[in-house]
Amino acid sequence: ETGVTQTPRHLVMGMTNKKSLKCEQHLGHNAMYWYKQSAKKPLELMFVYSLEERVENNSVPSRFSPECPNSSHLFLHLHTLQPEDSALYLCASSQENSLGANVLTFGAGSRLTVL
Amino acid sequence: GQQVMQIPQYQHVQEGEDFTTYCNSSTTLSNIQWYKQRPGGHPVFLIQLVKSGEVKKQKRLTFQFGEAKKNSSLHITATQTTDVGTYFCAGKPPTGNQFYFGTGTSLTVIP
Repeated sequence: ETGVTQTPRHLVMGMTNKKSLKCEQHLGHNAMYWYKQSAKKPLELMFVYSLEERVENNSVPSRFSPECPNSSHLFLHLHTLQPEDSALYLCASSQENSLGANVLTFGAGSRLTVL
Repeated sequence: GQQVMQIPQYQHVQEGEDFTTYCNSSTTLSNIQWYKQRPGGHPVFLIQLVKSGEVKKQKRLTFQFGEAKKNSSLHITATQTTDVGTYFCAGKPPTGNQFYFGTGTSLTVIP
């Protein structure tokens, strides 16, 4: 256990489904992230929440909708996804400081397959 | 835009051989981190380098940050089967808090 828990670990959904990925961190960190990991591609940062406010949105399609109700929980709501959205979705958390040198603690990931 | 490239993409070594992966950024970085991801696992933080020319060691792993703070390397001496995995560098530009991950180097160690 890393201190960052993701559920579900595996998800298969059709293109018309609506589902959500959940992330919970028990580390007392003040920033949370969603990354997408596809085969043969670098880790892609999708969203960053700092102190529960979204501070980064890297041109992610609107079919992905993040939600951060508090500093310990982060959701990724999925709606009308495409097969190319199939990937490992990694949640991470960090403690931001004035130096900005954030060490990321990753969850185990949610493996998403879109049919 | 910011790009962080790693070479090689794949490396197969015999157990006991050395291994090096190189990380190159298109722009100067303020610091760089290294992560290891075991097969089927998630990235785990290894180390962070901040100073120009910095060298840090963790047992058989040696990490270097280039003088120009645009490149970095990870060297493993006498690889073991437990070293198998993908090694990622992640560079942070001087402005903003985002780390840009490299493409990763997948290491296979043949017993």
